[in-house]
Amino acid sequence: NAGVTQTPKFQVLKTGQSMTLQCAQDMNHNSMYWYRQDPGMGLRLIYYSASEGTTDKGEVPNGYNVSRLNKREFSLRLESAAPSQTSVYFCASSEFGWAGTNYGYTFGSGTRLTVV
Amino acid sequence: AQSVTQLDSHVSVSEGTPVLLRCNYSSSYSPSLFWYVQHPNKGLQLLLKYTSAATLVKGINGFEAEFKKSETSFHLTKPSAHMSDAAEYFCVVSDRNQAGTALIFGKGTTLSVSS
Repeated sequence: NAGVTQTPKFQVLKTGQSMTLQCAQDMNHNSMYWYRQDPGMGLRLIYYSASEGTTDKGEVPNGYNVSRLNKREFSLRLESAAPSQTSVYFCASSEFGWAGTNYGYTFGSGTRLTVV
Repeated sequence: AQSVTQLDSHVSVSEGTPVLLRCNYSSSYSPSLFWYVQHPNKGLQLLLKYTSAATLVKGINGFEAEFKKSETSFHLTKPSAHMSDAAEYFCVVSDRNQAGTALIFGKGTTLSVSS
């Protein structure tokens, strides 16, 4: 099925460990995004990539790095995990139409990360 | 800069009664507006979107929303709630003419439906 695939679905890390969350989309979308979701906070943008070869910081980028590997793939790396990074992470992709109209996102199913 | 405020963090209704989830937005440009729904331990699903066509937007599962520029509002309604509507709902804004600009999410409204 077409869509956004995230791996892994669940992960437990110890403080200080590193890991990479993987995201791939097969809809030929130009833009990809990483969000984190915390109770009562909605979704907050970590990083986004408007097109292949570009990345930009969002609202909460500290402690994260990203790589837009190609048009399909956009990974999120935690270099030294902290308990404050315990969250649910969502990857999304989108396409823009005439005059920059955003037609909405397609979201992955999420990665539930716990840092102990 | 754009922002969105969901006026109620929690709404409780009885099955068969109307649903109203309120959302106000702020945007420097002509916005695109969306409502997403998230059922417990699930991902996000697009309910409906406004992208400058008709101001009354119909979505899935009987939901609709009306874009009111003068009130900077985009409230979500449904005539008759169903138990399966219990979920968290997010109002989302995106500035048009800003290709690559990310969606900005409200903090969410939890809808509870009692029998």
